[in-house]
Amino acid sequence: NAGVTQTPKFQVLKTGQSMTLQCAQDMNHNSMYWYRQDPGMGLRLIYYSASEGTTDKGEVPNGYNVSRLNKREFSLRLESAAPSQTSVYFCASSPRTEMNTEAFFGQGTRLTVV
Amino acid sequence: DAKTTQPPSMDCAEGRAANLPCNHSTISGNEYVYWYRQIHSQGPQYIIHGLKNNETNEMASLIITEDRKSSTLILPHATLRDTAVYYCIVKRSQGNLIFGKGTKLSVKP
Repeated sequence: NAGVTQTPKFQVLKTGQSMTLQCAQDMNHNSMYWYRQDPGMGLRLIYYSASEGTTDKGEVPNGYNVSRLNKREFSLRLESAAPSQTSVYFCASSPRTEMNTEAFFGQGTRLTVV
Repeated sequence: DAKTTQPPSMDCAEGRAANLPCNHSTISGNEYVYWYRQIHSQGPQYIIHGLKNNETNEMASLIITEDRKSSTLILPHATLRDTAVYYCIVKRSQGNLIFGKGTKLSVKP
């Protein structure tokens, strides 16, 4: 099983450029999440989607937009990248937000904004 | 969701039990204790979770105090591959996983 797949794995952007981080899961999960992790820090929740067709802000949503394209895919868009958005981005999925089950994480996208 | 407090780092000898503490003194009755770990900047990996009772699975044991204000994750026979950052998270059923800084566990030969 592939689990949660993120693309790309690495990306370098210039300030002001835009890009979309892709995430897909093959576990038929309802809920999906985007986190960022800065050096020496824990993960911070950017946006989440409790179910197909819904999205909600997390702790640090500014500068980002998301799209839950279908049940499998949840993308994160940076419209105008800033150096402060240099980070490692993790996508995750779980059966349902309200259920007490484990979340599965992708391997991350390492983004550098210069 | 209640906050958690963990030591920033711990060492453990290979083959010995690793006991990782977590304080969650403001936990509510409907909040669960979750443990995840992150090995060398990979995506976090679920370990175990519990509400009141002690829990055990193939990876670890979770001991929750009777007043639920603290818990301990036990890795019974730590190996070098258990070197990771361990996150203790308190979460309501409807809540999201909110990560702190965790405990960096170093397993030494």
